[in-house]
Amino acid sequence: AQKITQTQPGMFVQEKEAVTLDCTYDTSDPSYGLFWYKQPSSGEMIFLIYQGSYDQQNATEGRYSLNFQKARKSANLVISASQLGDSAMYFCAMRVGSGAGSYQLTFGKGTKLSVIP
Amino acid sequence: EAGVTQFPSHSVIEKGQTVTLRCDPISGHDNLYWYRRVMGKEIKFLLHFVKESKQDESGMPNNRFLAERTGGTYSTLKVQPAELEDSGVYFCASSHPGGQGRTGELFFGEGSRLTVL
Repeated sequence: AQKITQTQPGMFVQEKEAVTLDCTYDTSDPSYGLFWYKQPSSGEMIFLIYQGSYDQQNATEGRYSLNFQKARKSANLVISASQLGDSAMYFCAMRVGSGAGSYQLTFGKGTKLSVIP
Repeated sequence: EAGVTQFPSHSVIEKGQTVTLRCDPISGHDNLYWYRRVMGKEIKFLLHFVKESKQDESGMPNNRFLAERTGGTYSTLKVQPAELEDSGVYFCASSHPGGQGRTGELFFGEGSRLTVL
């Protein structure tokens, strides 16, 4: 069975500082993808960044980067230069395999990030 | 381009009543998914449509839940009769016709919050 663990229910960060949101995952399938989604107060889930299990380099998307440590099964999200608009819930998610069930995403419980001015 | 839209945004019903949630995916997206987040728990997969066909409904909790996607456009999720434990936020998502592509990006709606009293 697949599992995503986000151990930080809430995080605070000073504006313009960097913050790391933790995510560990568990799967026995060698082929998987890891995602981070942002959910602001409006409720919409916004895709941020993706990392494939076979990708050689850590994914980066603007101020977002994914610290992928395969041996540790961790996929932490790093947000650089935090902005007030970054305050939101952040979900780590995983998709495994390539069959029909691979369309399912397994989510963590989320981390609520609050950016302090 | 309009995003994924869901209706209603919030529904409050009594135990035993029926509720129907609607999802309009992004135009041209053959893949449509329903997910649910119960308070304090992870977001869980419910089911996946490819056009009008149910590709995977392994996450549907029980037979009180019925999802349809007639014509392969919008989808409805009916809960009948609703129970207290059905309270939560129901998310709809859609993705490109070719599957999810490399990144597997799902485009989520803002969710429909269901409260069963």
